[in-house]
Amino acid sequence: QKEVEQNSGPLSVPEGAIASLNCTYSDRGSQSFFWYRQYSGKSPELIMFIYSNGDKEDGRFTAQLNKASQYVSLLIRDSQPSDSATYLCAVNRGSNYQLIWGAGTKLIIKP
Amino acid sequence: GAVVSQHPSWVICKSGTSVKIECRSLDFQATTMFWYRQFPKQSLMLMATSNEGSKATYEQGVEKDKFLINHASLTLSTLTVTSAHPEDSSFYICSTPGDEKLFFGSGTQLSVL
Repeated sequence: QKEVEQNSGPLSVPEGAIASLNCTYSDRGSQSFFWYRQYSGKSPELIMFIYSNGDKEDGRFTAQLNKASQYVSLLIRDSQPSDSATYLCAVNRGSNYQLIWGAGTKLIIKP
Repeated sequence: GAVVSQHPSWVICKSGTSVKIECRSLDFQATTMFWYRQFPKQSLMLMATSNEGSKATYEQGVEKDKFLINHASLTLSTLTVTSAHPEDSSFYICSTPGDEKLFFGSGTQLSVL
């Protein structure tokens, strides 16, 4: 079992709809959770991070964390073609930022 | 926010040669630098962690004599791929922690012929 699992996709969503990206992790001791967006040939860029159970909203993005189910998700409202990218889920088990990365979900927003 | 400058952005080299990748922190002191490698359609794989003034810590399976890391100052960390082979062709990325997140360099696409 991989430590951080994501569906590789591609996930195709019509423009304006809600895109839902999911991630599960295996280590119950994980403390912080990150969503990064990566365009092809570019470095990852941070979208959101979350530490506590529940929802965290930032503009069109909402991160959801359920530690009991070891599940973290990212919702993108009013999806735009520019949101088309690979979304990486990353988990930090401690405070040292040696993140464990998922393989990423490719998201395609169709105009 | 903090900026990490990574060079070169891409490099093509012949098999057997060495390639040096630099990451500079432009407006802050980078005590720690993570070096990642990413193959197409795969996740970021941590290769090593360097700390200024001390030896790098390599992840299991990463050859320290092949991937030389130097972090001699708080603003510069380098990764040298020695005796590169085609299987070393990959996207190499550096990152440093700060302000509750990781700051990434822009990445280096290495192609070994």
